[in-house]
Amino acid sequence: KQEVTQIPAALSVPEGENLVLNCSFTDSAIYNLQWFRQDPGKGLTSLLLIQSSQREQTSGRLNASLDKSSGRSTLYIAASQPGDSATYLCAVRPDYGGATNKLIFGTGTLLAVQP
Amino acid sequence: SAVISQKPSRDICQRGTSLTIQCQVDSQVTMMFWYRQQPGQSLTLIATANQGSEATYESGFVIDKFPISRPNLTFSTLTVSNMSPEDSSIYLCSYRRGGNTEAFFGQGTRLTVV
Repeated sequence: KQEVTQIPAALSVPEGENLVLNCSFTDSAIYNLQWFRQDPGKGLTSLLLIQSSQREQTSGRLNASLDKSSGRSTLYIAASQPGDSATYLCAVRPDYGGATNKLIFGTGTLLAVQP
Repeated sequence: SAVISQKPSRDICQRGTSLTIQCQVDSQVTMMFWYRQQPGQSLTLIATANQGSEATYESGFVIDKFPISRPNLTFSTLTVSNMSPEDSSIYLCSYRRGGNTEAFFGQGTRLTVV
């Protein structure tokens, strides 16, 4: 059974700092992995999608890496800003040997960037 | 990406009643999904909304409690039936265009049952 874990559960950094959020998953059989941000009481905003054959994806100040064999992904945020404060979620789309639509989510990392 | 909107954005409901949540996408999409996020927890898939046929429910979720409609490729509803305080959650709809494409989410419906 696929399980997704995110460490740390919460993180507070001063503005301008570079930071790394971690995501690990127990089963390497995945189609892809997606990172989201969730603002309090709101829905999810997609940040980056990494296919199982890819090693990393970049969008602006964000860089996500994927090491499928070790079951790990990281989200690197450069030059953090107070507007980056949110909960960051990673989710994997499992490969059960056939098509699956389900995303399995981690519990998230609550990020606070202090001005 | 298509614009996805949900309504209501929040509601407070009496136990024993039902609430229907609407999800509208501004262009046709292949797959639509409904997720639940209980307080302090992460998201769990309730069901895949299939256009023109019955929804596919995940383990632990049943049609009598969470009936879903999907009359066309841009619209779906989720009803939370016979509500209890344990149903207090954020309910989110999501879509993908098929293949290994990105998933997008609506803004969610925050439901409180009293």
